[in-house]
Amino acid sequence: DAKTTQPPSMDCAEGRAANLPCNHSTISGNEYVYWYRQIHSQGPQYIIHGLKNNETNEMASLIITEDRKSSTLILPHATLRDTAVYYCIVYSGGSNYKLTFGKGTLLTVNP
Amino acid sequence: SQTIHQWPATLVQPVGSPLSLECTVEGTSNPNLYWYRQAAGRGLQLLFYSVGIGQISSEVPQNLSASRPQDRQFILSSKKLLLSDSGFYLCAWSLGQASGYTFGSGTRLTVV
Repeated sequence: DAKTTQPPSMDCAEGRAANLPCNHSTISGNEYVYWYRQIHSQGPQYIIHGLKNNETNEMASLIITEDRKSSTLILPHATLRDTAVYYCIVYSGGSNYKLTFGKGTLLTVNP
Repeated sequence: SQTIHQWPATLVQPVGSPLSLECTVEGTSNPNLYWYRQAAGRGLQLLFYSVGIGQISSEVPQNLSASRPQDRQFILSSKKLLLSDSGFYLCAWSLGQASGYTFGSGTRLTVV
């Protein structure tokens, strides 16, 4: 599975959009981009995933570049409860679906 | 709806004692099941995964073992705990790519 690169930390003002970048330049055609987040002392929470097209759900939007070498997770109106470590993961699936978590980005939402 | 239960929430055990952590999933059948560990200040490390009853794959050889006696039950065990076994243990389940992973609330284990 392709490796990902994320900034170690980011800050965002409450109520503003949080844009979290992820580089995955070695991604292959059958690999999905997944985003999870982990609030302190809790288990990771699934946010969104996509293959080629941009995706949106009730939590966030995922923008994938046309060449698929990078993506951006957008939290449209960040709240203090969105402070967490955000993980961008690329993998191709298979019968066992093993996700490998990197170090992620610590997003701090400030009042 | 599907739910995942993991217990206990916290556990303090002496070095050399045995360990048994249990995870159960409700509302789904034949899930893939996973055990992860997160040491203090570290990332998530996949320990074991299972694609069916009695089928266990180990990712990291160590002092731990896993078993899946029933379709929706996953157990993490150790015969003799080490100090290095301390950490946050998370169970997760998945039905495939479209569903992603759903994690339990975790067990914080401290070996003293």
